[in-house]
Amino acid sequence: AQSVAQPEDQVNVAEGNPLTVKCTYSVSGNPYLFWYVQYPNRGLQFLLKYITGDNLVKGSYGFEAEFNKSQTSFHLKKPSALVSDSALYFCAVRDPNAGNNRKLIWGLGTSLAVNP
Amino acid sequence: DVKVTQSSRYLVKRTGEKVFLECVQDMDHENMFWYRQDPGLGLRLIYFSYDVKMKEKGDIPEGYSVSREKKERFSLILESASTNQTSMYLCASSLGQVYTDTQYFGPGTRLTVL
Repeated sequence: AQSVAQPEDQVNVAEGNPLTVKCTYSVSGNPYLFWYVQYPNRGLQFLLKYITGDNLVKGSYGFEAEFNKSQTSFHLKKPSALVSDSALYFCAVRDPNAGNNRKLIWGLGTSLAVNP
Repeated sequence: DVKVTQSSRYLVKRTGEKVFLECVQDMDHENMFWYRQDPGLGLRLIYFSYDVKMKEKGDIPEGYSVSREKKERFSLILESASTNQTSMYLCASSLGQVYTDTQYFGPGTRLTVL
């Protein structure tokens, strides 16, 4: 069965330090992978996606993510965290072998707190 | 930019009331989705629609129905609201039949059922 895991409920990092938010997945084929962010009292915003090609994907607000097929991971990274990056981050996956199915499978979210 | 709007940011209803949540997108997207978001449970898909008058059940459709009479509008209906339907409701849309399409979200409606 398709699934997405975000193993950390919360990540704390000091401002200026690098941050990583982890995501692992399980699908039968080559996945389509997405990261979204939710700032307090706001809807979700798209950050980046991996479909094919270069394993390193660059997205909005200086974020990037690396697709690692052997480890079935798609970790979100940023070289230098800002206090304004504090938010809830969601990883999502779609299995392209899932037929006529537009659904995404969502992780439970990771709360990122960047401390001044 | 894609804009997805939801009719209310906050809504308070009483048990047994019929509740309508409206969602409108302005980018001619084919697909529209309704999710609910609860702490510790992430996003759960209630219903989605891939065309006017077409709908498919998501993972938790019980207690809900939907309507899509026009392409830009997707309504979520709680026939008889219950306290366990207190939640944040998020609407989203995506362009078409390309499965790599990004979903764009509205700001959400926080529904409280008393």
